[in-house]
Amino acid sequence: QVQLVESGGGVVQPGRSLRLSCAASGFTFSDYGMHWVRQAPGKGLEWVAVIWWDGSKEYYTDSVKGRFAISRDNSKHTLYLQMNSLRAEDTALYYCVRDTFGMDVWGQGTTVTVSS
Amino acid sequence: QSVLTQPPSASGTPGQRVAISCSGSSSNIGSNTVNWYQQLPGTAPKLLIHSNNQRPSGVPDRFSGSKSGTSASLAISGLQSEDEADYYCAAWDDSLNGWVFGGGTKLTVL
Repeated sequence: QVQLVESGGGVVQPGRSLRLSCAASGFTFSDYGMHWVRQAPGKGLEWVAVIWWDGSKEYYTDSVKGRFAISRDNSKHTLYLQMNSLRAEDTALYYCVRDTFGMDVWGQGTTVTVSS
Repeated sequence: QSVLTQPPSASGTPGQRVAISCSGSSSNIGSNTVNWYQQLPGTAPKLLIHSNNQRPSGVPDRFSGSKSGTSASLAISGLQSEDEADYYCAAWDDSLNGWVFGGGTKLTVL
């Protein structure tokens, strides 16, 4: 079945880095754009970044530009989010999401906590 | 403050029809399609409506979407207890070059 499984979350100090991964299965990963969407504790959804199916384009929300980088390895069916210079406000559950006519497949998320 | 504006809460009794609004601007809803997501407590969001009014396979026809100008609306008819969830609208924003979500509406079934 179609599945997205995130990993790499954890507790990290402000200013440090973390890399999230998302393993895709059950569909042709290289055919789809992919997003990262986050949700801070008790808050709403916030779109973070998107990457085109072939990696040719990337877009980011303003608050992470210059700090986060989305990438993908189609040969490994894996999506990544490199997060640098982390801040307390980056604390959230990070979802990996497939893109079709909408964000149609969501992982269960991986939790990132930025705290000293 | 979210780019798309939704009421923070809505409510209805079983069997009723409720509508949730989503207000944006010319750079997002006014020029792009709107999607709606349902997030049941403790779970990942689920795509409910895409392209303003299209239901993915498996979504009951009790759920419908519409768009007019810079606003969109999600309607739920024949309200059921299992519809109690948070609902979010989303659209691409041409000015921001990114996706924007509404702040979410918590639906309570009384």
